Amino acid sequence: DAKTTQPPSMDCAEGRAANLPCNHSTISGNEYVYWYRQIHSQGPQYIIHGLKNNETNEMASLIITEDRKSSTLILPHATLRDTAVYYCIVRVGGSARQLTFGSGTQLTVLP
Amino acid sequence: SAVISQKPSRDICQRGTSLTIQCQVDSQVTMMFWYRQQPGQSLTLIATANQGSEATYESGFVIDKFPISRPNLTFSTLTVSNMSPEDSSIYLCSVQPSSSYNEQFFGPGTRLTVL
Repeated sequence: DAKTTQPPSMDCAEGRAANLPCNHSTISGNEYVYWYRQIHSQGPQYIIHGLKNNETNEMASLIITEDRKSSTLILPHATLRDTAVYYCIVRVGGSARQLTFGSGTQLTVLP
Repeated sequence: SAVISQKPSRDICQRGTSLTIQCQVDSQVTMMFWYRQQPGQSLTLIATANQGSEATYESGFVIDKFPISRPNLTFSTLTVSNMSPEDSSIYLCSVQPSSSYNEQFFGPGTRLTVL
């Protein structure tokens, strides 16, 4: 699985968009970008994933650059409940394999 | 989706003892994993629990220390043996349903403190 790099922490004002970057410059052609988050004292929760097209679901949007070497997770209207550690993970899609977690980004949504 | 429960949710144990953590899933799943999260750290995979065969351990983890059972497709146990304070962590069970290779589900975790 390709290595990812994320900033250790970010702040965001409540109601504003939170943009969380992830660098994955060694990503392979068959590897997807996955995002999970871990709210304090809970297990990680899947957010979204994508290969090369931008993706959107009810939780977030995922923007992947054309060269696929970086991506951004967007929470359009952050709430206090979005305060969590966000993990960007790269791995082969559709495979029954474990996840390899990096250090993630601690997002703090401020009132 | 999959709903996962773990028992116990937390425990405080004495050095040298062992604790068995249970993971129960509400549906049959092929892949089950056990992770450890040390204080202030990210998750580290301990092993993949294989139904009907021995677990597959990651580098740095051994069966004598972390024996795992997987008697069926909905249940697994992880034992932390001969505990020391360094074993104080959150232990998480995770599953990947065969119907959803792009999403893994995690249990709430077991918070273990070793004195």
